[in-house]
Amino acid sequence: QKEVEQDPGPLSVPEGAIVSLNCTYSNSAFQYFMWYRQYSRKGPELLMYTYSSGNKEDGRFTAQVDKSSKYISLFIRDSQPSDSATYLCAMTSTGFQKLVFGTGTRLLVSP
Amino acid sequence: KAGVTQTPRYLIKTRGQQVTLSCSPISGHRSVSWYQQTPGQGLQFLFEYFSETQRNKGNFPGRFSGRQFSNSRSEMNVSTLELGDSALYLCASSLYQVGDGYTFGSGTRLTVV
Repeated sequence: QKEVEQDPGPLSVPEGAIVSLNCTYSNSAFQYFMWYRQYSRKGPELLMYTYSSGNKEDGRFTAQVDKSSKYISLFIRDSQPSDSATYLCAMTSTGFQKLVFGTGTRLLVSP
Repeated sequence: KAGVTQTPRYLIKTRGQQVTLSCSPISGHRSVSWYQQTPGQGLQFLFEYFSETQRNKGNFPGRFSGRQFSNSRSEMNVSTLELGDSALYLCASSLYQVGDGYTFGSGTRLTVV
């Protein structure tokens, strides 16, 4: 079993929809949680960064962490075709350790 | 400000050869990490350097090595290339630690034939 599980998709939604992306993990020591967006032929781009549990909002993006369930989510409101990309969750136990990534969910937003 | 720069962007090598990839971090960033990305395995951690010292290492064979220079620039080397080494190699930098938030470069696409 992988430390971080993420549905690979693809997830297809119409423009304007609310998108929910999720990851589950098994290591209870994880404390830093991140979401990255990766466009084709590009490196991952940091979208959201959360420490420990709780919610964080940034524009159309909301990140949620539920450590009791070992479950993290990224919500995208009013999705746009430009949001079409692969979304990767990542996490680590302390700031000095490697990031463990999910395999990524491919999102397709149609006009 | 300039982002993380990786060179070269594309590389084709033959089995058995060795290759060196370069990464210039964001100015002021002292931590540099390397990841291998493949369709089957996703992003896998190779190693991380901070102030010229390797702080963490992933589960890759000894053919994979790296170093960091005093200006924080980093190189990774793969010797005796195998077909399975074909991948996108990504470099990421952060101020001090992962918790500061990584910034990735666009990667070097290595193809081994």
